[in-house]
Amino acid sequence: EVQLQQSGAELVRPGALVKLSCKASGFNIKDYYMHWVKQRPLQGLEWIGWIDPKNGYIVYDPKFQGKANITTDTSSNTAYLQLSNLTSEDTAVYYCARWEISTVVPFDYWGQGTTLTVSS
Amino acid sequence: DIQMTQSPSSLSASLGERVSLTCRASQEISGYLSWLQQKPDGSIKRLIYAASTLDSGVPKRFSGSRSGSDYSLTIISLESEDFADYYCLQYASYPTFGGGTKLEIK
Repeated sequence: EVQLQQSGAELVRPGALVKLSCKASGFNIKDYYMHWVKQRPLQGLEWIGWIDPKNGYIVYDPKFQGKANITTDTSSNTAYLQLSNLTSEDTAVYYCARWEISTVVPFDYWGQGTTLTVSS
Repeated sequence: DIQMTQSPSSLSASLGERVSLTCRASQEISGYLSWLQQKPDGSIKRLIYAASTLDSGVPKRFSGSRSGSDYSLTIISLESEDFADYYCLQYASYPTFGGGTKLEIK
């Protein structure tokens, strides 16, 4: 069974750094681009970026350049999203999702989301 | 960026009713569009891809269509589990989402 299991909720201080995880099971992440999406409270969805776990190639939405760092650990079949210099604007739910490489059929499975709260 | 303008932003409907949601693309996306459903617990599920292809396991009361730059999601005969938020997603270029439609029970 395909699953994307995300790490638990985080409460962090402004200015800090946080690393969220997305552990895949039922498939090999090397066969998929792994994406991250942000959803602020009561707002819509924003695409952050994606990574090709086979070669580490990464694309970010320009809005998140310098804020987000996407990585993977293929040995544990896990994708990560690191967010730096956190502010209240980063308070949101963050989702991971997959897109099968060499197809045009994206985001067929999503993680359950990780709630990040930035507060002093 | 390709902008996706989704309407309506909210919709109140009754059980058994037929509803349609629409997304208009600011540029040509050639049918590279999905519809997503988000439940109150935050879980997200893809319903449709390539504008009109129903995902496996999605009830046939859901359908997607295209007319020019307008893309629609239609749900015939609403059931209780259909009351949720819906988003369109274009993937012709870097992914962008519509603003969402909150479908509420009347």
